[in-house]
Amino acid sequence: QQPVQSPQAVILREGEDAVINCSSSKALYSVHWYRQKHGEAPVFLMILLKGGEQKGHEKISASFNEKKQQSSLYLTASQLSYSGTYFCGTEYGLGNEKLTFGTGTRLTIIP
Amino acid sequence: EAGVAQSPRYKIIEKRQSVAFWCNPISGHATLYWYQQILGQGPKLLIQFQNNGVVDDSQLPKDRFSAERLKGVDSTLKIQPAKLEDSAVYLCASSLVPLSSYNEQFFGPGTRLTVL
Repeated sequence: QQPVQSPQAVILREGEDAVINCSSSKALYSVHWYRQKHGEAPVFLMILLKGGEQKGHEKISASFNEKKQQSSLYLTASQLSYSGTYFCGTEYGLGNEKLTFGTGTRLTIIP
Repeated sequence: EAGVAQSPRYKIIEKRQSVAFWCNPISGHATLYWYQQILGQGPKLLIQFQNNGVVDDSQLPKDRFSAERLKGVDSTLKIQPAKLEDSAVYLCASSLVPLSSYNEQFFGPGTRLTVL
């Protein structure tokens, strides 16, 4: 089952903050976040594991609510380079690495 | 460190023709993935290899799609015969440690397939 992302699209001015959410109807083991710019490959941002471990870029922060099966990605003081489509990938089984990606959130940063 | 390589970058074929895509993962990466990304959607996993063995191919349309990973390195994905709905970007990705959730995937640039 595909995770649901919200919002579907958001437009921000440079310097503003944004939150992107990812919700699952199934119990999650981990959530992975990727950003994809138009015509390019997805690029890794962050992994959040059940139990609290995280791995990712320093300037990116995210949370994982195990009870609600939700994850949120926080983008603060947005820069033009943050523009792109953000995907969450959810893993349901322990250590099987199989990711089910959401439909994406398109983020546009304007000067 | 070289990234994931894919070829060709673009391919246009007519329906019912066959097509093959090639992927060379990052050196030393045990796990290789093929994804299909239809315009406006997230990547959908088609097949996952660990070394040269298939871990998951539950979403691979096996009547027309096939994939192999020879010697646990390069991989090819084939479609035969192609349908209009196969138009998509085919992404290859690899990851270092097998069967670990704490494992980022590195994506290649993709092959954009157009079926006419």
